[in-house]
Amino acid sequence: EAGVAQSPRYKIIEKRQSVAFWCNPISGHATLYWYQQILGQGPKLLIQFQNNGVVDDSQLPKDRFSAERLKGVDSTLKIQPAKLEDSAVYLCASSLGTGEKLFFGSGTQLSVL
Amino acid sequence: KNEVEQSPQNLTAQEGEFITINCSYSVGISALHWLQQHPGGGIVSLFMLSSGKKKHGRLIATINIQEKHSSLHITASHPRDSAVYICAVRPGAQKLVFGQGTRLTINP
Repeated sequence: EAGVAQSPRYKIIEKRQSVAFWCNPISGHATLYWYQQILGQGPKLLIQFQNNGVVDDSQLPKDRFSAERLKGVDSTLKIQPAKLEDSAVYLCASSLGTGEKLFFGSGTQLSVL
Repeated sequence: KNEVEQSPQNLTAQEGEFITINCSYSVGISALHWLQQHPGGGIVSLFMLSSGKKKHGRLIATINIQEKHSSLHITASHPRDSAVYICAVRPGAQKLVFGQGTRLTINP
């Protein structure tokens, strides 16, 4: 069974530039999560989708971050413009439903210079 | 005070030792997860439990709901077990709350 696919694996940008991350969850998983993990900390939920609807985006900095899951399958997370403090690993995870076991992608390591 | 506290923060042991990592939480939960994160970022879900005990290979996870405490044990530890182990709890139907992680290093 294919796991959660994320790309790119690494990204280096300068502050004020834009960046986008892509995630393809496990087939059939209705719930998709984007997490931000700053070095030395646990993951922080940015946004949770149930199919193509947003369940929780309370911790998403909406002035610069956006995410979509238009067809209820793959998802993109965008940062525009990036700040130095956005340097982190961005993890995508999926599950059959809320409360089910999570499956994580390998993450995208973002460095903002 | 964090809702999820893990101890120790760092643990170094010799190959073959029995390892225990602890997780305490302060809220009522519907489930607790133990996750493993290797250098490079990828996270693997080890256990999801809401009561009792689960075992998978050399890994054992226990939870005491009354005491709001869980432990992750590794028997016959091996250098490949070196990773960050993260405890995460789900308060009811709310989003997961993550601990800071325990960095485990097993020396050969």
